Amino acid sequence: AQSVTQLGSHVSVSEGALVLLRCNYSSSVPPYLFWYVQYPNQGLQLLLKYTSAATLVKGINGFEAEFKKSETSFHLTKPSAHMSDAAEYFCAVSELNTGNQFYFGTGTSLTVIP
Amino acid sequence: DTEVTQTPKHLVMGMTNKKSLKCEQHMGHRAMYWYKQKAKKPPELMFVYSYEKLSINESVPSRFSPECPNSSLLNLHLHALQPEDSALYLCASSQNRDTPRGYTFGSGTRLTVV
Repeated sequence: AQSVTQLGSHVSVSEGALVLLRCNYSSSVPPYLFWYVQYPNQGLQLLLKYTSAATLVKGINGFEAEFKKSETSFHLTKPSAHMSDAAEYFCAVSELNTGNQFYFGTGTSLTVIP
Repeated sequence: DTEVTQTPKHLVMGMTNKKSLKCEQHMGHRAMYWYKQKAKKPPELMFVYSYEKLSINESVPSRFSPECPNSSLLNLHLHALQPEDSALYLCASSQNRDTPRGYTFGSGTRLTVV
């Protein structure tokens, strides 16, 4: 069965500091992994995705994530936080043998301190 | 056009009202989804349409009735809702259910049931 774990429901960083949001998955077959961002009162916007190509994936707004099969992880990073990065972040996983259905993590709320 | 458009953005309805939410995309996507999202929680899947046919109904109460009139349009008909149905309703689309390229989400309809 699929599951996604996001460690830390709330993360606070200072402006200009490294952002690290953690995501671990469990999957019986190679998964497809995604990070979405949700700003207040808005829908979800795709940040980046891993679909079995390069393990280091670059996304929008300076974010990137690395797929580590040995650690079953897909952590999201950004070298320098900006105030506009404050939002809710969701990790998601899907498998072809489940009809590409998404399974979301519980989300991490990122606060950026000026 | 790379967007999923949802209308209305906000809706307040009484428990005896009948209303409909509308979702539209012109990306040629053949899979469309309805999600329900409560505050600070991940989206929960409600319905999946694949090639205009309902393929997944996640045990959603019958007071929610989906409809897919054509490949670009998805409706959610609401009747006799309860206050606990108040939430953000998100529509999403993907190329099809076999291609793990991620979903495109709309901005959602904020529903309040009074």
